[in-house]
Amino acid sequence: AQRVTQPEKLLSVFKGAPVELKCNYSYSGSPELFWYVQYSRQRLQLLLRHISRESIKGFTADLNKGETSFHLKKPFAQEEDSAMYYCALRANMNYGGSQGNLIFGKGTKLSVKP
Amino acid sequence: SAVISQKPSRDICQRGTSLTIQCQVDSQVTMMFWYRQQPGQSLTLIATANQGSEATYESGFVIDKFPISRPNLTFSTLTVSNMSPEDSSIYLCSVTPGVGPYEQYFGPGTRLTVT
Repeated sequence: AQRVTQPEKLLSVFKGAPVELKCNYSYSGSPELFWYVQYSRQRLQLLLRHISRESIKGFTADLNKGETSFHLKKPFAQEEDSAMYYCALRANMNYGGSQGNLIFGKGTKLSVKP
Repeated sequence: SAVISQKPSRDICQRGTSLTIQCQVDSQVTMMFWYRQQPGQSLTLIATANQGSEATYESGFVIDKFPISRPNLTFSTLTVSNMSPEDSSIYLCSVTPGVGPYEQYFGPGTRLTVT
């Protein structure tokens, strides 16, 4: 089965502290993974994807196939990082998913305190 | 990129009635998806709507309850029929330009409350 697990519902850190939002996945084949972010009163938007191997707003995420993880990290959290973060996996029709759609984890609410 | 608008942005409806949600995209897109986000929950795919073919529904969702139209490459509607309080949710339209490694874009959502 294709599944995304985000074990933490809420993560609270102080400004300047490192942050790591955990994401594990279950997938048969080569996964395509994403992190989406939803700031307060804004729509869901793409933060980064593993194939780009880029850093966006100081965030990075490395795909670890051995551990089936795609954790999101930032060395120094900022207050404006407070938001809801969703890890997502692009489904593969050959393994029971609808081609192209995203399978989301339950999300982690990140709260960065001053 | 694709900019998506949804109407209405929110509504309060009585049980037993139906509501049609519209999704408009500023460019032609191949794939459109409808998601539901229940309070405190993650996004769950309802169906995939491709132009020129019937929508494909996910397990647990049926056409009689959630009929979908996709008349062209920039527009789709989702109807929530015979509503009950359990249908209270945010309904999201999402698109990708094509099949493949494309970014998936999301609309602002329609917040539905059923009383």
